[in-house]
Amino acid sequence: GAVVSQHPSWVICKSGTSVKIECRSLDFQATTMFWYRQFPKQSLMLMATSNEGSKATYEQGVEKDKFLINHASLTLSTLTVTSAHPEDSSFYICSAQQPNTEAFFGQGTRLTVV
Amino acid sequence: DQQVKQNSPSLSVQEGRISILNCDYTNSMFDYFLWYKKYPAEGPTFLISISSIKDKNEDGRFTVFLNKSAKHLSLHIVPSQPGDSAVYFCAARRGGESGGSNYKLTFGKGTLLTVNP
Repeated sequence: GAVVSQHPSWVICKSGTSVKIECRSLDFQATTMFWYRQFPKQSLMLMATSNEGSKATYEQGVEKDKFLINHASLTLSTLTVTSAHPEDSSFYICSAQQPNTEAFFGQGTRLTVV
Repeated sequence: DQQVKQNSPSLSVQEGRISILNCDYTNSMFDYFLWYKKYPAEGPTFLISISSIKDKNEDGRFTVFLNKSAKHLSLHIVPSQPGDSAVYFCAARRGGESGGSNYKLTFGKGTLLTVNP
């Protein structure tokens, strides 16, 4: 299957700093990428939909100014958690897909804010 | 509002037996369903999918059944192996115009499958 690479796989940051997570589709062009968040023992919660060359569409309740998404090319989307706080600690996962195919997921990023 | 429901948070089976994971959905606009397998601290990996025009899709040890009238689908794994132990997510997608948010997946909460040797 297609490969989606997410980096870093884990990061620890101080409260108040910003963290950038990258999501790359390695062997295909992804017109759409999705960012999810997973709390312990919970489902994957969609945060936002990222379309190349346009603004991201955020799900209800997700702060767009806090979770900045940039989809500058067909192979790269980034999620920046700005002014991170301990409650932002979570497992963040991206997925990439082309129309009419299944979504391929990155390996996830474990963010810990101390 | 949980549009995709996996009512069993966990399931334990013996190696060699059949594992049956269930999923129910409420949104009649969903027309494509997928199962993903997830290990701790990793992203989900795609297992198998089914379109709403079918009622069964088989791939090796994995078979997905869809009952549209009941808005129910199930994943059968036979024979189950210890390496199948993971969290299994059911996901659904709406049909409609191509591109953009119509491809977003709605996930269930997952079922932890444990296959005992």
